[in-house]
Amino acid sequence: KNQVEQSPQSLIILEGKNCTLQCNYTVSPFSNLRWYKQDTGRGPVSLTIMTFSENTKSNGRYTATLDADTKQSSLHITASQLSDSASYICVVIRGFGGSYIPTFGRGTSLIVHP
Amino acid sequence: ETGVTQTPRHLVMGMTNKKSLKCEQHLGHNAMYWYKQSAKKPLELMFVYSLEERVENNSVPSRFSPECPNSSHLFLHLHTLQPEDSALYLCASSREGHPTQETQYFGPGTRLLVL
Repeated sequence: KNQVEQSPQSLIILEGKNCTLQCNYTVSPFSNLRWYKQDTGRGPVSLTIMTFSENTKSNGRYTATLDADTKQSSLHITASQLSDSASYICVVIRGFGGSYIPTFGRGTSLIVHP
Repeated sequence: ETGVTQTPRHLVMGMTNKKSLKCEQHLGHNAMYWYKQSAKKPLELMFVYSLEERVENNSVPSRFSPECPNSSHLFLHLHTLQPEDSALYLCASSREGHPTQETQYFGPGTRLLVL
């Protein structure tokens, strides 16, 4: 079964601290993996897209890693800011026959306290 | 703003009502999507339109009826909904092509409450 599991479900950290969010998946055949940030009351916004051959990709203070062998990805946030408070969603795209179907994780809710 | 707009932002309707959700994208994309986001559940892909043709219907009940009159507009027609249909309905658009270029841009969503 194609699934994406994220952990932790929720996380509270102090401003300025680092944190790492985890994503494990069983989606196949794998096309690419994405991390989205969803602020409360808004639609998700893409942070990173990683293909099978990419191990690390950065977007400012956000760094995503991918281990395609163990089917694990992580999103590391450096020097957190209050504006980082949001839900972070891992999405794995299945690719077959010209179709690309996303499977979404439940998301990790991050709260950054001053 | 992502270039994808949705109206209305909030909607309350009874189970016997008929309403429509509207999505518009100004990004020149040729694929549009409807998603349902319920509390504590992953986003669920409902419908995909590519070049104005429906290419994906993810086992969605017939009380949800999509319409894509052109590549910039997408509607979701609702009728005889159930309380469990209450959720955030998100529209997204992307450019068909290489999968890693298909970044989906999401609208702000319509928060639907069915009484």
